[in-house]
Amino acid sequence: AQSVTQLGSHVSVSEGALVLLRCNYSSSVPPYLFWYVQYPNQGLQLLLKYTTGATLVKGINGFEAEFKKSETSFHLTKPSAHMSDAAEYFCVVRLSGGSYIPTFGRGTSLIVHP
Amino acid sequence: DAMVIQNPRYQVTQFGKPVTLSCSQTLNHNVMYWYQQKSSQAPKLLFHYYDKDFNNEADTPDNFQSRRPNTSFCFLDIRSPGLGDAAMYLCATSSATGPHNEQFFGPGTRLTVL
Repeated sequence: AQSVTQLGSHVSVSEGALVLLRCNYSSSVPPYLFWYVQYPNQGLQLLLKYTTGATLVKGINGFEAEFKKSETSFHLTKPSAHMSDAAEYFCVVRLSGGSYIPTFGRGTSLIVHP
Repeated sequence: DAMVIQNPRYQVTQFGKPVTLSCSQTLNHNVMYWYQQKSSQAPKLLFHYYDKDFNNEADTPDNFQSRRPNTSFCFLDIRSPGLGDAAMYLCATSSATGPHNEQFFGPGTRLTVL
């Protein structure tokens, strides 16, 4: 079984500030981890993913995330927020070993102030 | 470009009047999913297909049904929509094989029930 916890339903930052969205997971086997972004009235778009290998993964739009097994975390960061980053972000975990049913975090709404 | 297409993008129906939402994909993925997403919530899995094998989530109401006539197409039928069924409906696909099988989402259909 697996679960995902996203700390903070809303995160507010100023334009140009660091973005940090937190995600912790629990998994009985090595997980695959994903971050998706959803803009209003749109579907979800993959930002980045961790499957195996390098624990620091880079994604689109300047985002990156680091898989920390000891902390069971997969936090999403971006050095400098843009107004266009305002959206809903979902952390998703899927078990390795053939599972194709992912578990979603509840989502974090990123608000960017000018 | 390979993609997931949902039609229509916006659907208005009347209370109790059956409605069908459609999804098509050009990715040739063998897994297709239907999600219901209400405002400020994570997507909730309704059911999924692994090839032709249908898998219903335990808490999906009987009012919701699905058809997958071939690999490319999948339909969501809501037999008697209630006001509580107003939501965004998301279709997604993934390949069941390989570690990098993230989900690909369509743009969604926003359902309004009058």
